[in-house]
Amino acid sequence: KAGVTQTPRYLIKTRGQQVTLSCSPISGHRSVSWYQQTPGQGLQFLFEYFSETQRNKGNFPGRFSGRQFSNSRSEMNVSTLELGDSALYLCASRLAGGDETQYFGPGTRLLVL
Amino acid sequence: AQSVTQLGSHVSVSEGALVLLRCNYSSSVPPYLFWYVQYPNQGLQLLLKYTTGATLVKGINGFEAEFKKSETSFHLTKPSAHMSDAAEYFCAVSALDSSYKLIFGSGTRLLVRP
Repeated sequence: KAGVTQTPRYLIKTRGQQVTLSCSPISGHRSVSWYQQTPGQGLQFLFEYFSETQRNKGNFPGRFSGRQFSNSRSEMNVSTLELGDSALYLCASRLAGGDETQYFGPGTRLLVL
Repeated sequence: AQSVTQLGSHVSVSEGALVLLRCNYSSSVPPYLFWYVQYPNQGLQLLLKYTTGATLVKGINGFEAEFKKSETSFHLTKPSAHMSDAAEYFCAVSALDSSYKLIFGSGTRLLVRP
């Protein structure tokens, strides 16, 4: 079974731009979560989507948003990029139905100049 | 709020030596616990998890971890380190609120000396 895929793998943007990252979960998984990884803050939870609904959101500004489609694929969007948004963005999928295990994709590395 | 503490941001061992990576969590209720490994320029790979049942959990690549409720610990061990084990290791706990978010420790980078 194919793992979690994320596109693109690398992105370079400039301050003020916006960016959209994509995540395809493992087939059959219905929950998708997003995490931000930076050297200073470590791994931090952004939000979780299940059945096209945002279930939980971490402590991030409103510039960070996401959505989930009917096929469970998810996108996250960051508007008005800041230098501090440079990070590795990881997507994780979960089967749901009581299984707490999250399986991570390879991540999208975003560099904001 | 829950938290996870990983003692030692860097651990260095010789090839063939015991690997011990420490993880302590703060929770009054036994949570679900996970260890993930991250190789350079890659995502997180699940090593093992504890949910319920047996407190000694075996994972991939010869790693195992023991859940000790009295010590609120979930240390990761491997009897004999291999060069390919060099990576960053993260301990995580599943939040006890209604979400399934993971709360991660700050990570331990394992260096394996030949």
